[in-house]
Amino acid sequence: AQSVTQLDSHVSVSEGTPVLLRCNYSSSYSPSLFWYVQHPNKGLQLLLKYTSAATLVKGINGFEAEFKKSETSFHLTKPSAHMSDAAEYFCVVSASRSGGYNKLIFGAGTRLAVHP
Amino acid sequence: NAGVMQNPRHLVRRRGQEARLRCSPMKGHSHVYWYRQLPEEGLKFMVYLQKENIIDESGMPKERFSAEFPKEGPSILRIQQVVRGDSAAYFCASSPPNVRGGGETQYFGPGTRLLVL
Repeated sequence: AQSVTQLDSHVSVSEGTPVLLRCNYSSSYSPSLFWYVQHPNKGLQLLLKYTSAATLVKGINGFEAEFKKSETSFHLTKPSAHMSDAAEYFCVVSASRSGGYNKLIFGAGTRLAVHP
Repeated sequence: NAGVMQNPRHLVRRRGQEARLRCSPMKGHSHVYWYRQLPEEGLKFMVYLQKENIIDESGMPKERFSAEFPKEGPSILRIQQVVRGDSAAYFCASSPPNVRGGGETQYFGPGTRLLVL
């Protein structure tokens, strides 16, 4: 069975400082991993995805994540936070089903606050 | 290319009424997924459909909830006799046909926020 744990429910940073959002996953076979962002009262936007290619994945808006199989982690980072990064972030795991579709399993989310 | 569209964006119902949520997938996408997000929680998978077929409904409550994706028109998530616990945001996602033997990326709509009074 697949599961994902986001280690922090809230993260607060100052504008211009680095961002680290932590995520650990559990999967009985090779997973696909995603980070989605949700701004207040909006839908979800895909930030980046890992699908067994390069372990360091670059996404939109300067975000990146590193897949570490030995640590079962997929932490999201950004070198310098911007005010517009304030949102809810979801780490997501999936495994392709035998029918060739993804059943996404979401973490509980990390709310990122960015202070001036 | 328009994204995934959902309507209505907000829906208010009284207990016992029916709620119908609509989802139009992205052009060229034939796979639709529905997820529910309860307050302060992540999204939970409900159902996966292809045109005219329910493929996986393992996340759907056994009673009062149903989903369809007809040959023509949007996918519909229907909740009969709503209760206060059904208040949540319901998100639809779509993906293109599977061409590589694995799942494709899902693109999400803006969601329908259901409030049951």
